[in-house]
Amino acid sequence: ETGVTQTPRHLVMGMTNKKSLKCEQHLGHNAMYWYKQSAKKPLELMFVYNFKEQTENNSVPSRFSPECPNSSHLFLHLHTLQPEDSALYLCASSQDWRSGKDTQYFGPGTRLTVL
Amino acid sequence: RKEVEQDPGPFNVPEGATVAFNCTYSNSASQSFFWYRQDCRKEPKLLMSVYSSGNEDGRFTAQLNRASQYISLLIRDSKLSDSATYLCVVNNAGNMLTFGGGTRLMVKP
Repeated sequence: ETGVTQTPRHLVMGMTNKKSLKCEQHLGHNAMYWYKQSAKKPLELMFVYNFKEQTENNSVPSRFSPECPNSSHLFLHLHTLQPEDSALYLCASSQDWRSGKDTQYFGPGTRLTVL
Repeated sequence: RKEVEQDPGPFNVPEGATVAFNCTYSNSASQSFFWYRQDCRKEPKLLMSVYSSGNEDGRFTAQLNRASQYISLLIRDSKLSDSATYLCVVNNAGNMLTFGGGTRLMVKP
């Protein structure tokens, strides 16, 4: 399935590095999301974009900086991360954030390790 | 109290067995409910939405009890391929999903 793609699939970075995660959706959706899944913890919503506008920032530290240049692309810029930020970062998209019953489709995720 | 609570399992069942998972949620204003399936080291995928009247999709039946704030998933005639983690998901506002920690199912030959 290639509805939502993410690159890279794996990333190892040092605490002083700057890197970016990329997500692209080919479903014609208008809403995109970043989630974090840490070991043995539920998925946590990080950011929501609807029609390229950020609608939610779920108390995420500023070392994570999202960017949504258009409805099909979403980036997560990373800088000065901590080892506890190591996790699976999942991107998702849906038709419209305002709909309460919209199905979200997830990308395969980027497995991030911070050394 | 967690917003969405699930028994983490694992539930170890033989092929052909019937297994049921439960989930409770804390926000009485929650609007919509879902079960997602997540295979090891893969992304979550929607299994089914959960409606107040209950709904069935093949071997899978989902039920919602708003009064008790309780959601269930029943799997009949378990297959080896059903082995996965089942995530209970609640939509509280807009499309902001809150995930439970998941229930792990292992179906054995």
